[in-house]
Amino acid sequence: NAGVTQTPKFQVLKTGQSMTLQCAQDMNHEYMSWYRQDPGMGLRLIHYSVGAGITDQGEVPNGYNVSRSTTEDFPLRLLSAAPSQTSVYFCASSYSGGETQYFGPGTRLLVL
Amino acid sequence: EDQVTQSPEALRLQEGESSSLNCSYTVSGLRGLFWYRQDPGKGPEFLFTLYSAGEEKEKERLKATLTKKESFLHITAPKPEDSATYLCAARSGSARQLTFGSGTQLTVLP
Repeated sequence: NAGVTQTPKFQVLKTGQSMTLQCAQDMNHEYMSWYRQDPGMGLRLIHYSVGAGITDQGEVPNGYNVSRSTTEDFPLRLLSAAPSQTSVYFCASSYSGGETQYFGPGTRLLVL
Repeated sequence: EDQVTQSPEALRLQEGESSSLNCSYTVSGLRGLFWYRQDPGKGPEFLFTLYSAGEEKEKERLKATLTKKESFLHITAPKPEDSATYLCAARSGSARQLTFGSGTQLTVLP
């Protein structure tokens, strides 16, 4: 099993550009989530999904969209990038939301 | 509102010098306390889950313990390869999500 995979590993955007961060898992997990990690602030939940077709907002959802059309994939869309979205983004999955979450390697995003 | 606070923010130890990392939590009806290890440039890696006060779990030089208000990660005779950031997270009874602390950056010097 590859576990949780994320692409790209690193991305530079200009303010106002849009992009999609990809996340996939091959463990047949129902629960998937997106976090951002900033220095001194820990991991903050952006959006999560409890199954295909079901998504909900986390702590910091503004400026991000998600959809879940399959169990395996959970892309995160930045609609109009802002410098405040410069961060490291992690995708995670688990059998259920409160159980052990398995994290991907992360995507480093720089917005100029 | 659920809160998780980790201390210290950073810790430097000499190889073989045992110590403990602290994770204080305020959640309504704890349903799980999780410890993760994170190496630079990588995603968090799961270490332990604790569910009730008094519970302990061990893995190599690491031992995690849980009380009603805190969890400790004890590191016995650490080695340089134990250097990493250690994260704790808590799940409350009403939430499906985890609340993370900001982590303790551990450096073990040879």
